Parts: sequence; C-alpha cells; structure tokens
Amino acid sequence: GESVGLHLPTLSVQEGDNSIINCAYSNSASDYFIWYKQESGKGPQFIIDIRSNMDKRQGQRVTVLLNKTVKHLSLQIAATQPGDSAVYFCAERIADYGQNFVFGPGTRLSVLP
Amino acid sequence: KAGVTQTPRYLIKTRGQQVTLSCSPISGHRSVSWYQQTPGQGLQFLFEYFSETQRNKGNFPGRFSGRQFSNSRSEMNVSTLELGDSALYLCASSKAAWQVLTNTGELFFGEGSRLTVL
Repeated sequence: GESVGLHLPTLSVQEGDNSIINCAYSNSASDYFIWYKQESGKGPQFIIDIRSNMDKRQGQRVTVLLNKTVKHLSLQIAATQPGDSAVYFCAERIADYGQNFVFGPGTRLSVLP
Repeated sequence: KAGVTQTPRYLIKTRGQQVTLSCSPISGHRSVSWYQQTPGQGLQFLFEYFSETQRNKGNFPGRFSGRQFSNSRSEMNVSTLELGDSALYLCASSKAAWQVLTNTGELFFGEGSRLTVL
C-alpha cells in the first residue's frame, strides 16, 4: 500500500554515501520529536527520538539534530544502504497532556546502486 | 512480544455505510492513538485513548469516533462514509499517555487498515 503523496520530496543518494533529511516543525512549544521510517505497505517504524532539551542525539548509523531557534530537525544516515529506501517522517509532540503528534509530510529516500 | 495488531487489514465500503476498525496494542501499553494517512494530507491525528478515556482529539468531524476497552484494546468507527474517507488508518500504542520527563513517548504503529470507499 502506498504511504506517500504524488508530490512527496525525494532525496536520491548513492549507496554508501551519507543522507541528510530535513524537517521544519511548526510549534515552538513541542517538547519531543521522533523520526519514523515507513516502507511500502507497512506502518511507520521508530528510528530515533530527541527531547527539546537536547540538540543532538546519535544512534546506530543515524543522528538527529534539533535547532529550536529555527524550528528545524534533521536526520543524518551514515553509509546509506539499499534497505534505507523508504519514506521518512518527522513527528513533533505538542506539549500538552497526551500523545498528540503532528507529522511532517515525509521525504522519500531512494538509494541508488 | 507481539506488536500492534489491526483488523481488518483491507476493506471496501460504499458511501453512506459505516465501518468499525479494531486495534490491539502491545501488551502493557495503555495509550492507543489513531491516525489517518492519505496521499494528500499525510498522517493526521484522529484521537488518543488512555484508560478507556479519550485524552486528545484531532480536527475530524463527529462521524469519526472511538473507544477503548478495559484491556486497552481500541476500536474506531466512521459513520456515513464519504469518498474522502478512503485512507490507511493506523493505530499506535505507547506506554503512557504522558510522562514527558520519564518515558520516551515512542509510538509503536500497526500495519494499518486500508479502507476504500466506493
């Protein structure tokens, strides 16, 4: 099943290169951010998260950077692999009571052989 | 452990009908959220339930409703279906409805229920 729109931003990278996916979020009061990966026909999968009191967090091959001044989030994937091809969404949690997340429009990452 | 389970995976309805979708969260997760995913609008928050109570609601008409049972399983219902309701409906569970300081808040998604309205 499709998970993307006709006009989804696309990033094409060579296998082995690093990828950087960007996201602008909307609410300066958002306290928590997550990057998700969605493959065709599947639900979104958690990649990495970051709280608003941090500006950088690293995982295995992935790094998330948060710039609260300009409300910008980025996901860096090191040594991109074919299995990384998917749509990537950033999500911000509105800092009220509950688990109300606002998702970005998504970016399609295509890894070229 | 088993992930989030959604049923049915696919269904086709006609305009005016109603539909009920089911979600079983990960064992121990008490918060269940529902999202609608369409090519045009992306992922949009519908509502969140915790301990059988709706905690948050997105900007959807009253035709969209939900509930949560004592075992944390959740259902959502869409009445008087419209063509624009065709979408992938995703359920996500997490450990708690809040605890900004004490948990990650990570949402675990199911595979979704794909609804087609003809």
